[in-house]
Amino acid sequence: GAVVSQHPSRVICKSGTSVKIECRSLDFQATTMFWYRQFPKKSLMLMATSNEGSKATYEQGVEKDKFLINHASLTLSTLTVTSAHPEDSSFYICSAAPRRTSGRRPYNEQFFGPGTRLTVL
Amino acid sequence: QKEVEQNSGPLSVPEGAIASLNCTYSDRVSQSFFWYRQYSGKSPELIMSIYSNGDKEDGRFTAQLNKASQYVSLLIRDSQPSDSATYLCAVNYSGGYQKVTFGTGTKLQVIP
Repeated sequence: GAVVSQHPSRVICKSGTSVKIECRSLDFQATTMFWYRQFPKKSLMLMATSNEGSKATYEQGVEKDKFLINHASLTLSTLTVTSAHPEDSSFYICSAAPRRTSGRRPYNEQFFGPGTRLTVL
Repeated sequence: QKEVEQNSGPLSVPEGAIASLNCTYSDRVSQSFFWYRQYSGKSPELIMSIYSNGDKEDGRFTAQLNKASQYVSLLIRDSQPSDSATYLCAVNYSGGYQKVTFGTGTKLQVIP
């Protein structure tokens, strides 16, 4: 269980174009999904938190008009990189958090998709 | 600012030895703690979660949590070359749907 898919796995595009990345939770419902970016040999950087049916919450320094996030259902979130530039080239990874409880204490675990490697020429 | 600290390594251990990975966090309110493994060029994979003081064992992995000292560790017994990866510590500060804060990761190298 707890499988998350991402599509596409790799994309190469020209500067100025837009790229849409899909993140799906395959065997559970995810009220919350997260989008991360990771540059080579660097740590994960959280870009935004996506909640089903509401606007995403963006981290400081992340342009919401450039990185459009839509979480239309409990199993699908999309990230659109608009007007992509070479500096947007990175490894984009989504994660999904199913809600579980242990006794009366809630906790969450994030399960990651396989990632999308974006190269902007 | 809530922080999660890890030694970047690399930590080199011989095959068959115990690898010990450590993580400290800054906020005493923390509730949930996670260890992820990330192979080069791949996304992180959840290997352990722990939220009570003490030890939690799963196969060759043992997570240890000490909330009083604000550290969490991961022990890997009988280390194998396939365990060579970067191990990320993550801390959830408020439970529920809240985001986690990741450490920068410790690179583990298991020498055959």
